[in-house]
Amino acid sequence: DIQVTQSPSSLSASVGDRVTITCRASQGISNYLAWFQQKPGKAPKSLVFLASILQSGVPSRFSGSGSGTDFSLTISSLQPEDFATYYCQQYKSYPFTFGPGTLVDIK
Amino acid sequence: EVQLVESGGGLVQPGGSLRLSCAASGFTLSDFRMTWVRQAPGKGLEWVANINEDGNEKNYVDSVKGRFTISRDNAKSSLYLQMNSLRADDTAVYYCARGTAVALWGQGTLVTVSS
Repeated sequence: DIQVTQSPSSLSASVGDRVTITCRASQGISNYLAWFQQKPGKAPKSLVFLASILQSGVPSRFSGSGSGTDFSLTISSLQPEDFATYYCQQYKSYPFTFGPGTLVDIK
Repeated sequence: EVQLVESGGGLVQPGGSLRLSCAASGFTLSDFRMTWVRQAPGKGLEWVANINEDGNEKNYVDSVKGRFTISRDNAKSSLYLQMNSLRADDTAVYYCARGTAVALWGQGTLVTVSS
């Protein structure tokens, strides 16, 4: 199975900060990577697919990049509604696997 | 409105069975692969299974192989997850999701396996 790791596991940031979360796959997955946002008690929300393409309706302050084994999600200017847990997921080979998540909370 | 609505969760004893359903509306189910993802209490997301558009290709995470069966009825716009031989570590919120690169999620249904 392909293992997916994320760093950091948590971070504290302020409104307006630029935030970057990294995701690493244990083997090359081309660009078959997605990013999700989840708030407590809610279903996940899809943010990015194919590593860098924003889902419809996702604000442009979110951006994804990377290919192969190393990926990142950047929030250019953190907004109050962005405080949440973020997950990456590879969908190159079965079983599809999620990273452990990165909690973004308020400094 | 485009949405997915899960049902069928509840409390079940270890070794028991449960069938989850997911009703799709606002889009044509047969146009999409469909996925089940679960989340144990306080834990991260775990991909469980997916099924292709016509139902003849199914994939599972190892921990549920031989116990869970994913299926679909495109005429009824519904996705299913039959769960047998349930264990305590199957306790989770189960989400129905659309696509391989998931773009749409249901609200989830809680399955609790406990005596």
